Amino acid sequence: DTAVSQTPKYLVTQMGNDKSIKCEQNLGHDTMYWYKQDSKKFLKIMFSYNNKELIINETVPNRFSPKSPDKAHLNLHINSLELGDSAVYFCASSQDWGTRRDTQYFGPGTRLTVL
Amino acid sequence: AQSVTQLGSHVSVSEGALVLLRCNYSSSVPPYLFWYVQYPNQGLQLLLKYTSAATLVKGINGFEAEFKKSETSFHLTKPSAHMSDAAEYFCAVSGGSQGNLIFGKGTKLSVKP
Repeated sequence: DTAVSQTPKYLVTQMGNDKSIKCEQNLGHDTMYWYKQDSKKFLKIMFSYNNKELIINETVPNRFSPKSPDKAHLNLHINSLELGDSAVYFCASSQDWGTRRDTQYFGPGTRLTVL
Repeated sequence: AQSVTQLGSHVSVSEGALVLLRCNYSSSVPPYLFWYVQYPNQGLQLLLKYTSAATLVKGINGFEAEFKKSETSFHLTKPSAHMSDAAEYFCAVSGGSQGNLIFGKGTKLSVKP
């Protein structure tokens, strides 16, 4: 049973295109996240989503938009892709927001390559 | 504000040798600290976490870490390295403004036969 799943695993696309990455968690968690891992392996938060409240990292361009159809899903839409968007994107979930001791469970990642 | 510093971007050990991966933290509140491992082309897996219950924390795969408040450290150790331990290791502290984890830059562990 996969706790946090993402699709696709690999995504190769042209600059200027629009793409989406899907994330699903079957843990019954209330909070989901999107992290970006750059080419140097550095992980940085992009979005947190808890009970329909979206918390955005100010440094994330508005070309990126998370959408949550329900508590178990948090998809990431990216418009007008740029070369600098190439990275590995990780979805994660935790039981609650603001409970600092909660473990965050990560998906397998989506490697996005923009040509 | 919280932050994490991992000393050494790359650590190489021989199989059977002691593994020591260093992590220092900065936190304005009592910290909750995590170690995650990332195998090539995979997601992050929790090794262990410190949540103030005990200063010596045991995790999976024979890893453990000791929380030392006086040194603001949470170093990860394993007595005897195995080839399968080769991976990227991330130390993290919770408490970001978005409820997120704040990660160190990672340490790549190589294990030589």
